[in-house]
Amino acid sequence: NAGVTQTPKFQVLKTGQSMTLQCAQDMNHNSMYWYRQDPGMGLRLIYYSASEGTTDKGEVPNGYNVSRLNKREFSLRLESAAPSQTSVYFCASSETGLESETQYFGPGTRLLVL
Amino acid sequence: AQTVTQSQPEMSVQEAETVTLSCTYDTSESNYYLFWYKQPPSRQMILVIRQEAYKQQNATENRFSVNFQKAAKSFSLKISDSQLGDTAMYFCAFMKLSGAGSYQLTFGKGTKLSVIP
Repeated sequence: NAGVTQTPKFQVLKTGQSMTLQCAQDMNHNSMYWYRQDPGMGLRLIYYSASEGTTDKGEVPNGYNVSRLNKREFSLRLESAAPSQTSVYFCASSETGLESETQYFGPGTRLLVL
Repeated sequence: AQTVTQSQPEMSVQEAETVTLSCTYDTSESNYYLFWYKQPPSRQMILVIRQEAYKQQNATENRFSVNFQKAAKSFSLKISDSQLGDTAMYFCAFMKLSGAGSYQLTFGKGTKLSVIP
């Protein structure tokens, strides 16, 4: 099993450009999450999807949109990138509802907005 | 809202020695989980250990153990027989299990641990 995969690994954008970060998991998990990590900070939740067909805002949703394409895939879109969105983005998944609520993380996408 | 505080931005330990990383949290919830994640230079987030709040027994995973003090809202991580591969950022995280924002992780700012040969 690959676990949680993310593409791309690294991306450079100019201010105002758009892009979509892709995430997929092969663990048959119901819940998926997008976090961002800034220097000197822990991870902060952007959006999450508790199950296929549902999405909800997290702590820092402004400037982002998400799509839960199917049970495996959860994408994060930046419609008009800003330098403040320079960060490392992590996708995670978990089997919500069972005793084990552990979230498993992808390798991250490093995004630089110029 | 929950907050997680890691008061030690950086720590170092000699190889084979023991080190303890501190974490405190603030919540009014009674049912929750606590986690320690490790982030090595590769940036991959790796689960180290998990503690359910309803369990009085402290969790252990090989060389890693926690000291969970529910009344004090403290959740420290002890690493025994430290190895060079333990060099990483360590994040403490909180997860509530009911109500708005449930199943979301709230992270501390991390402690950078360096293991010295």
